Amino acid sequence: DQQVKQNSPSLSVQEGRISILNCDYTNSMFDYFLWYKKYPAEGPTFLISISSIKDKNEDGRFTVFLNKSAKHLSLHIVPSQPGDSAVYFCAALYGGSQGNLIFGKGTKLSVKP
Amino acid sequence: DTEVTQTPKHLVMGMTNKKSLKCEQHMGHRAMYWYKQKAKKPPELMFVYSYEKLSINESVPSRFSPECPNSSLLNLHLHALQPEDSALYLCASSRTSGMISYNEQFFGPGTRLTVL
Repeated sequence: DQQVKQNSPSLSVQEGRISILNCDYTNSMFDYFLWYKKYPAEGPTFLISISSIKDKNEDGRFTVFLNKSAKHLSLHIVPSQPGDSAVYFCAALYGGSQGNLIFGKGTKLSVKP
Repeated sequence: DTEVTQTPKHLVMGMTNKKSLKCEQHMGHRAMYWYKQKAKKPPELMFVYSYEKLSINESVPSRFSPECPNSSLLNLHLHALQPEDSALYLCASSRTSGMISYNEQFFGPGTRLTVL
């Protein structure tokens, strides 16, 4: 049973527009959420995180929103750039899990010039 | 130095071979992780070391044997693997595995393992 779900396997966006990647989770114990970006043949690169005590965290072009009641988070990329084309993984953990990151299946983002 | 390095980048081995994967970080992180990633799937946790002690073993078969010789190094010893063990093996590290504020895990590039 998947605890972290990314229901869109792929997303295509025009350069300069907003990219919105969605993630849902089922385990109410999760209290820390992370987004990773992965290029082919490379390891995941940490992008941005959010604690469950917040509903928004922003870092440059990247903003993560958390809706705890809906068990939903989203990553907004504004403006999108062709270099953002990659697979984006949502991941979650809880305080007692000793770093056991649970990943979603990923969403492949393509940003077209 | 904000990098996690892994060697080798690629490894091809037979089912009777013994080989080792190596991971190194010099960020002072005290938690290190091994993940396995199959094609088109998310990374799956195998082992967690916290302060050089094994703290999580996610029911991994004994043909995978982790070792943490010191706080900067993590090895994964492989013996008698099966073709289905072919995957990308990722190493990661973080400041601690317990304190929630510091759980950004930094990943290495991975070792692409093929078992024939």
